[in-house]
Formats: sequence, C-alpha cells, structure tokens
Amino acid sequence: AQSVAQPEDQVNVAEGNPLTVKCTYSVSGNPYLFWYVQYPNRGLQFLLKYITGDNLVKGSYGFEAEFNKSQTSFHLKKPSALVSDSALYFCAVRPALSGGYQKVTFGIGTKLQVIP
Amino acid sequence: DTEVTQTPKHLVMGMTNKKSLKCEQHMGHRAMYWYKQKAKKPPELMFVYSYEKLSINESVPSRFSPECPNSSLLNLHLHALQPEDSALYLCASSQGVVETQYFGPGTRLLVL
Repeated sequence: AQSVAQPEDQVNVAEGNPLTVKCTYSVSGNPYLFWYVQYPNRGLQFLLKYITGDNLVKGSYGFEAEFNKSQTSFHLKKPSALVSDSALYFCAVRPALSGGYQKVTFGIGTKLQVIP
Repeated sequence: DTEVTQTPKHLVMGMTNKKSLKCEQHMGHRAMYWYKQKAKKPPELMFVYSYEKLSINESVPSRFSPECPNSSLLNLHLHALQPEDSALYLCASSQGVVETQYFGPGTRLLVL
C-alpha cells in the first residue's frame, strides 16, 4: 500500500529565511509526486510535481522540491519565506503507471507559519 | 486557465433535506473527482468520473449521489445526510485520470 509521511505538523520560519517542508513516501514502482497548498477555507492549489527527469522541480510562487529516490523523499523548499506563504501544505503520491486511474494518496498536511 | 468553480460556497441543511453541489470546469478536462475533507485532515476521494462515466466509487454511502451531465459539469446530490457528513467538499478535474488534478475552492457543508 502506498503512503505519504509529513513528519511535522507545523513548521515555523521567520520571514526572509529559507523554508523546508518535509515529505517521504512509499509506493510500488516509480512515483509521481505532488505538492499542493491550501489556504484557510479554500481548495487545494497545485504547486509542483515530479514525473521524471531532473530531480529538482521548480513550481509556482518560488517554491521548488527535490526528489531523492534513495531516501524516498520529496521535500518542499523556498529560499526566502513570505508571510503570505503561511498555509497548509500537502504532499501527495501516486504510482507512475498509465492505463487507468491510479489513486492519489495525500499526506496529513503540514501547517507552515511564517513569522514577520 | 486552471479554474474549477464550485457552488454554493456554503450550505447548511437539515437531515431531511435534499440539496445539490455543483462543479464546473472549462479546461477540456475529461476526468472529474469529488473529495471530502474534514478539518485538519487530507482530502478523501469519494468518486471519479472519466469521460462522463463513473469509474471509481470509494464505498460512499448512497445518501451521496454523483452525476455528470456533460464533460464540464459534475454534481453531487445530497439526501438524508448525517451531522458527521459536515465537511468541505472539493471538486477536482484533470486532463485524464493520469494527469495532475486541479481543485475547486470547495463547498463548506454543515448538516444540522
């Protein structure tokens, strides 16, 4: 069974400092990996995804994530945090298989708090 | 344009009411999804539609009835809900079932 672990319920970072939100995964075969962000009382917004190729993926709003196959990790990063980045972040995984629906499994979410 | 719209934004209903949630996308996506999200939890998949046909039902109670009238619209009909069904209901769409899902803003449902 596939799974996603986001080990930190909350991450606090000072505005202007780099941020990292951690994610590790378990899936059969190769993964497709995703990060979504959710602001209060809103839906999930797609940030970035890893499908294949370069292990460093760049996404929206200056976020990037690094795929590490040996550590089965896909940590989300940003060089300089903004107060407006404060939100709930979800990591998600699905098997890299074609030919039909593959279930997307979400982590439990990490709340990012950027302190002014 | 990666916009998925949902109406209403908020809904309060009694346990004997019948109501419907609506979702719309004009991105030409052929797969659409309903998710349920409780507070501080990840979204839980309810239904998957592919080419307007129901392809996945994650053992959802029959008081939730999905409908896909056309490739742009997805409805969720609600009847005889329970208070524990109160949640944020999210609609998503994707180009195909293997592609990235894009989510709407959700409908906040409260069942009294």
